[in-house]
Amino acid sequence: DTGVSQDPRHKITKRGQNVTFRCDPISEHNRLYWYRQTLGQGPEFLTYFQNEAQLEKSRLLSDRFSAERPKGSFSTLEIQRTEQGDSAMYLCASSSGLAAYEQYFGPGTRLTVT
Amino acid sequence: AQKVTQAQTEISVVEKEDVTLDCVYETRDTTYYLFWYKQPPSGELVFLIRRNSFDEQNEISGRYSWNFQKSTSSFNFTITASQVVDSAVYFCALILQGAQKLVFGQGTRLTINP
Repeated sequence: DTGVSQDPRHKITKRGQNVTFRCDPISEHNRLYWYRQTLGQGPEFLTYFQNEAQLEKSRLLSDRFSAERPKGSFSTLEIQRTEQGDSAMYLCASSSGLAAYEQYFGPGTRLTVT
Repeated sequence: AQKVTQAQTEISVVEKEDVTLDCVYETRDTTYYLFWYKQPPSGELVFLIRRNSFDEQNEISGRYSWNFQKSTSSFNFTITASQVVDSAVYFCALILQGAQKLVFGQGTRLTINP
């Protein structure tokens, strides 16, 4: 089984620019999650999809953030008008829903906003 | 609200020593799942174990063992005869039954010195 993949692995952008990240979950996993991890902290939940439906969003997900999973397969996370506080590792995870809450994580996209 | 506390920010030991990573959690729910993840320098969170709140049996997997004590709300992780490859950040996490959001502790950075 191919694991969760994320692209790009690293992104450096200037404040005010828009960025988009992609996540490809484990095939046939119907649940997909985005988390954000800042330096020295544990990951924090951002949002969750079951198939193409976005079912839960954290208060951390401001209006500048949008996530989609148009065909229930890959997902994109877009950040508009980036701020320095957006600098973090963005982690994607997927699960089948059958394996009692086990979420499998990708390698993450490290965003640096200068 | 749920909370996971990993009081040990960093631990450094010499190879072959045993080491225990502490995890204390808070929740008012009676049904939940506890996890340990390993995050090596590459960044990907690697699933190690899942435990449900009704199963307090200790578990051993090779050099790894886990001690779940509901009475003290703790889920500690012990590595026996540590190896340099065990060096990583380790996260404890909790998820409530019916929820999708993993709640992580702040992590413990473990360094195994040769």
